Amino acid sequence: AQSVAQPEDQVNVAEGNPLTVKCTYSVSGNPYLFWYVQYPNRGLQFLLKYITGDNLVKGSYGFEAEFNKSQTSFHLKKPSALVSDSALYFCAVRHANRDDKIIFGKGTRLHILP
Amino acid sequence: DADVTQTPRNRITKTGKRIMLECSQTKGHDRMYWYRQDPGLGLRLIYYSFDVKDINKGEISDGYSVSRQAQAKFSLSLESAIPNQTALYFCATSDFPRSGSYNEQFFGPGTRLTVL
Repeated sequence: AQSVAQPEDQVNVAEGNPLTVKCTYSVSGNPYLFWYVQYPNRGLQFLLKYITGDNLVKGSYGFEAEFNKSQTSFHLKKPSALVSDSALYFCAVRHANRDDKIIFGKGTRLHILP
Repeated sequence: DADVTQTPRNRITKTGKRIMLECSQTKGHDRMYWYRQDPGLGLRLIYYSFDVKDINKGEISDGYSVSRQAQAKFSLSLESAIPNQTALYFCATSDFPRSGSYNEQFFGPGTRLTVL
């Protein structure tokens, strides 16, 4: 069955430190992977995606994510956190050969401490 | 995303009432989606439509129905609302993907629905 897991409900990081938000997935075949961010009282906004090619994907606001096929992971990273990065982050996966199903993780709340 | 609008933004209703949530988009996308968000559960897909004549059930369609009135409009109805349908509802759109790719979704601001 297709699934995506975000093992941490909340991540706290000091401003200026590197941050990582974890995501692992389970899907048969090649996955398409996404990260979205949700700020308070807003809809989700697209950050980045992995379809194929380079395992390191760069996205909006200085975020990047690394696709690791052997570990079935797609962790979101940023070298230096900003207080404004505080938000709810969602990982999502779509099976490469199925057009209909996108599965979202439960979300990880990121707190950047000043 | 201002190109995807949802009305109403907030709604309080009573058990058994019929309610409609509306979504409009100016992005020119063919694909539209309805999700609900519950704390700790992430987003779950209710219905999706890949064009005006194509409507599909998502993972939690029971108790909901949809109507795709035009390319730009996709409505979600709760025929007889119940308290466990209290949630944040999002509409989203995406463009038709090129072969071997897949396009991200653009989300509306959400409708907070409370069923008493």
